[in-house]
Amino acid sequence: DQQVKQNSPSLSVQEGRISILNCDYTNSMFDYFLWYKKYPAEGPTFLISISSIKDKNEDGRFTVFLNKSAKHLSLHIVPSQPGDSAVYFCAASAGDNYGQNFVFGPGTRLSVLP
Amino acid sequence: DTAVSQTPKYLVTQMGNDKSIKCEQNLGHDTMYWYKQDSKKFLKIMFSYNNKELIINETVPNRFSPKSPDKAHLNLHINSLELGDSAVYFCASSQGLSEQFFGPGTRLTVL
Repeated sequence: DQQVKQNSPSLSVQEGRISILNCDYTNSMFDYFLWYKKYPAEGPTFLISISSIKDKNEDGRFTVFLNKSAKHLSLHIVPSQPGDSAVYFCAASAGDNYGQNFVFGPGTRLSVLP
Repeated sequence: DTAVSQTPKYLVTQMGNDKSIKCEQNLGHDTMYWYKQDSKKFLKIMFSYNNKELIINETVPNRFSPKSPDKAHLNLHINSLELGDSAVYFCASSQGLSEQFFGPGTRLTVL
C-alpha cells in the first residue's frame, strides 16, 4: 500500500533544460511535503519543502508545486545541470506531533546529459 | 565536522549474530530516526526518538531495539540477524517538524 508514489523510475534531460519530477500521494491527511536528493553511497539530502497552505515554493533553481485537489506535487529544476544527476525522493507527513512519520516515495533517478 | 555520522559504513555478518550500528548527530537536534532502505530502494521509517523518548515504533520485529544514551546518539541493536535484514540503514535527525538530516548509511549484509 504505497501512500507516496513516484511513477517514473528514471528521467533523462539535456543540460540547460527543465527537469520535472512528479509525485502523487493517496493520504489526504498529508500536509507537509519534502524533496530529497540522493547520490550513490550517501544519505539523502534535503532540497526543498512545501506545506499544504501553499501551492508553490521556490529556492533558486528548484521549485515545488502542490496541487492538493489532485494530491500531486512536482519538483521543477531549471536549468538542469549535470551535478543534478541523482535519485530524487518525495516524502510526505501528516499531523503536527514531534517525530512525525515521513513516508517516502520510491525515488526517481534523474540523469542530466551534457 | 560531519552533521550526522554512522558507524560502521559496511557490516557483513552471519545469520543469527547480534550487531549494533551507532549514530551521532552534532546539530543539537531533538529528534533522531532510523530508516531502512530495502532492496527495492524504499526508505521506510523504523524508529523515532524525541528527547530520548520513543515516539514512533513502526511494525519492526522486536529483534531491533533502538538505544539512545543521550540526545545526540541513537544506536540500533539487532539480535538474531536474518537474511531479510540485509539492507542499507540510515540514521537521521531533525529539530521538531523541520527537514531531516541523514547520515551516510550503513550497508548491512547478512550471510
